[in-house]
Order: sequence, then structure tokens, then C-alpha cells
Amino acid sequence: GQQVMQIPQYQHVQEGEDFTTYCNSSTTLSNIQWYKQRPGGHPVFLIQLVKSGEVKKQKRLTFQFGEAKKNSSLHITATQTTDVGTYFCAGREGGGNKLTFGTGTQLKVEL
Amino acid sequence: DGGITQSPKYLFRKEGQNVTLSCEQNLNHDAMYWYRQDPGQGLRLIYYSQIVNDFQKGDIAEGYSVSREKKESFPLTVTSAQKNPTAFYLCASSYPGQGAFDGYTFGSGTRLTVV
Repeated sequence: GQQVMQIPQYQHVQEGEDFTTYCNSSTTLSNIQWYKQRPGGHPVFLIQLVKSGEVKKQKRLTFQFGEAKKNSSLHITATQTTDVGTYFCAGREGGGNKLTFGTGTQLKVEL
Repeated sequence: DGGITQSPKYLFRKEGQNVTLSCEQNLNHDAMYWYRQDPGQGLRLIYYSQIVNDFQKGDIAEGYSVSREKKESFPLTVTSAQKNPTAFYLCASSYPGQGAFDGYTFGSGTRLTVV
């Protein structure tokens, strides 16, 4: 079955440093979504990427979808303490609704 | 306001007991999902339903059962056959169908502990 891996599993940064998490799928995806889960909370939808090579930005967050539609990345510029949490990618195959979530990257930001 | 309500927030179960986790949404979403999250791990799909009176097994359905008698409700039963049920359970919903690739809306989750 489809597998979605993320690296790194954990990342500690100093406030103001940049952060990147990478997502790799074993199969070609029709689209990919990103979610953020704060400690003790539930995942919250951030964005969806559909097109090969697509790049989208949300303030300090930049999301990319690979040309082969098998990988994706999330880059945060100048991290803040509010960025703390676990970031998940989630891939969708074909036209179905089912998402396969990645293993997640836990981000900790130190002052 | 529209959203998904999961109850209870915390649940304690004795070994050998079945327990049912509630999930209700008023978003008018057709599709609903149950995920399990273990500490420090990702989300694993238990069951999903794309329409009333229909549901499919996910990746880890053994020891769980669901029903979808109403569009708004998708309860999950954790049976005694589930050998390691202690986990954080998340319910989600979305619009279905090709082209309607909306993000999932998640409930606040239920933390189940076996005592």
C-alpha cells in the first residue's frame, strides 16, 4: 500500500532560524495536503497542492510539490514560538477521498 | 458554528470491555473518517465512510467497528478484540468526490486508556 515518509522526525531550532520538512511518497499522488498539530491538539488543515512543481506561500511558510508528484516540502522562514507543533503531509492517490498521512515532523522552537 | 464534536474527551476502559466513541458533524460533509494516533507517531486510518450506510476498512480496522446510519454521525466502537487500544482517536470529515479536494476538518479527539 501507499506509504508516506517525512524527515526529519524531530527538529529543534532557535527562534529566527529556518526550518524545512520533507515528505516522500512511495506512489504518485494526485494532490498533497499539509496539516499542523499543536501539542495536545488536533491536526488543522494548512494547504493543498495539486499541480506538478506547484509552489504556494502563506506568510513565512512555503510549500512545494515535486515535479514527479511524489514528494513535497514545507519551509518556514524565521521560525517563531507560535510555529511549535507537528507538521504532517498527507497524500491522496487517484480520485478517491482517502488520505495517507506522513509520519510527521515535530518542531520545537527555543528562545 | 459548524464543526465536529467528539465525545468523550477522555475515556477509560477495562480490559475485555467494548467502548464507543462518538463523532458528530454539522458541516454537511458526506465523508467521515476515523484515525488512530499513538504518541509521537502519525495518523493511521481505521475506517472511513463516503456516504450514509456505507463504509470501508482502513489500514488498521481489526478490533474496531463503525456504523453510518446518519450523515451527521460516525461512531467508532473499540472492541475487546483490539489488543492495544490505548491511543488518541481522531474523527474527521470532508467533502467527497473527484475534484472536491477539500482539506479534512478534525474533531478535538478522544484519549482512550485501558486500565
